[in-house]
Amino acid sequence: AQSVTQLGSHVSVSEGALVLLRCNYSSSVPPYLFWYVQYPNQGLQLLLKYTTGATLVKGINGFEAEFKKSETSFHLTKPSAHMSDAAEYFCAVRLTDKLIFGTGTRLQVFP
Amino acid sequence: EPEVTQTPSHQVTQMGQEVILRCVPISNHLYFYWYRQILGQKVEFLVSFYNNEISEKSEIFDDQFSVERPDGSNFTLKIRSTKLEDSAMYFCASGAGGRSPLHFGNGTRLTVT
Repeated sequence: AQSVTQLGSHVSVSEGALVLLRCNYSSSVPPYLFWYVQYPNQGLQLLLKYTTGATLVKGINGFEAEFKKSETSFHLTKPSAHMSDAAEYFCAVRLTDKLIFGTGTRLQVFP
Repeated sequence: EPEVTQTPSHQVTQMGQEVILRCVPISNHLYFYWYRQILGQKVEFLVSFYNNEISEKSEIFDDQFSVERPDGSNFTLKIRSTKLEDSAMYFCASGAGGRSPLHFGNGTRLTVT
């Protein structure tokens, strides 16, 4: 069965530092993987997706993620954090026609 | 850019009352979903809807819940007799199918007192 695990429920970085949010997946078939961001009191906004093709995918707001089949990972990165990146980030895998979400990682950015 | 819209943004109801949460999916999408997020917890799948019928539902989606697409544009979630534990943020989503992502609304925060 498909599932995702997000390591670290909270991540804190300084403004300008590298952001790394970890996601590992479990899937019996080639996965479709997604990262969504949730700003306070808002809905879920798609950051980026991997379906097939290039394993390094770029998303909005300078984020990118790399699909690594050998490690069953899809970690989200951003070279330089901004204060506005503070939010909850969810990794998700597609199972049939629905998404299965991880438990989320709350990113805090300190000045 | 087209978006999924949900109304109301907040709903307060008393235990045992019926509530209807409303959603207008993106117009050319064919797949519709409801998810919920209890405060501080993960986003959980409730139900998917395609071709005017439920295609899949989770164990959370019991007989108290129902969905409907009454007029070709709205997609509603009804909770027949609300319980305290139904308090959560409810998200509607729609998708075009295949490899396309789901697009989510901003949610309805339901508080059952």
